[in-house]
Amino acid sequence: AQTVTQSQPEMSVQEAETVTLSCTYDTSESDYYLFWYKQPPSRQMILVIRQEAYKQQNATENRFSVNFQKAAKSFSLKISDSQLGDAAMYFCAYRSNNQGGKLIFGQGTELSVKP
Amino acid sequence: DGGITQSPKYLFRKEGQNVTLSCEQNLNHDAMYWYRQDPGQGLRLIYYSQIVNDFQKGDIAEGYSVSREKKESFPLTVTSAQKNPTAFYLCASSSTSGRKDSPLHFGNGTRLTVT
Repeated sequence: AQTVTQSQPEMSVQEAETVTLSCTYDTSESDYYLFWYKQPPSRQMILVIRQEAYKQQNATENRFSVNFQKAAKSFSLKISDSQLGDAAMYFCAYRSNNQGGKLIFGQGTELSVKP
Repeated sequence: DGGITQSPKYLFRKEGQNVTLSCEQNLNHDAMYWYRQDPGQGLRLIYYSQIVNDFQKGDIAEGYSVSREKKESFPLTVTSAQKNPTAFYLCASSSTSGRKDSPLHFGNGTRLTVT
C-alpha cells in the first residue's frame, strides 16, 4: 500500500521569504500523480499544485513550485515571497493511476507566516 | 456555479444514534469520496464510489455506510458502531474521464460532534 509522509508538523516563515515543505512517499508504481493541497482556517481544501510522475519538469504555479525527485520519492513544495494569506495547513497527496482515483494524504504541515 | 455542497456545517448527536451527512455535487463528476479529518492525522478515506450503485471501502470504513443511488449524491451514515465518530468530514468528487491528473474537488465539510 502507498504511504505519504510529511515529517514537519509545523513550519514558520517570515513574510516575503521562501519556505520549503517536505513530503516523501512510498510506492511500487511507476505511473502516479502528486498533489499539494492547502487548507486555510476556513477548512476549505484548495488545490495548490499537481505533478505527474512521468513528467521530469517540476511543476510551477506562480509563487508555488515543487522539487520532484522520483528516485528518492520526494515531492517538496517551495513557496516564494510568502504572504500572510499563505498561512494554512498544507497536505501532500498521492494518487494512483488506478484504485479509483482516490487520494492518499500525508499528515499535514501547518505553516505560519510572520509579518 | 458548480460545486460540492455538504450539509449541515455543524452536527450534534447523542451517542448511540445514527446520523447521515449529506453530500451533493453538480459538477457531473462520476467519482465521489468521503474523508475523515482528525488533528495530526491528515485525511483518511472512508468510502468512495466511481459510478452509481457501486462503492468501495476505504481505509477506515468500519462503523460507516454509504449509498450512491444518484450520480449527484453520496450520503454518509455514521452508525452507532463507530467508536469515535466526533471528527470533521469532507466529501470530494472528481472526473474519471479526461485528464488523469484531475484533482479532487472538496466540499466545505461537516463538523460532527457526538456526546
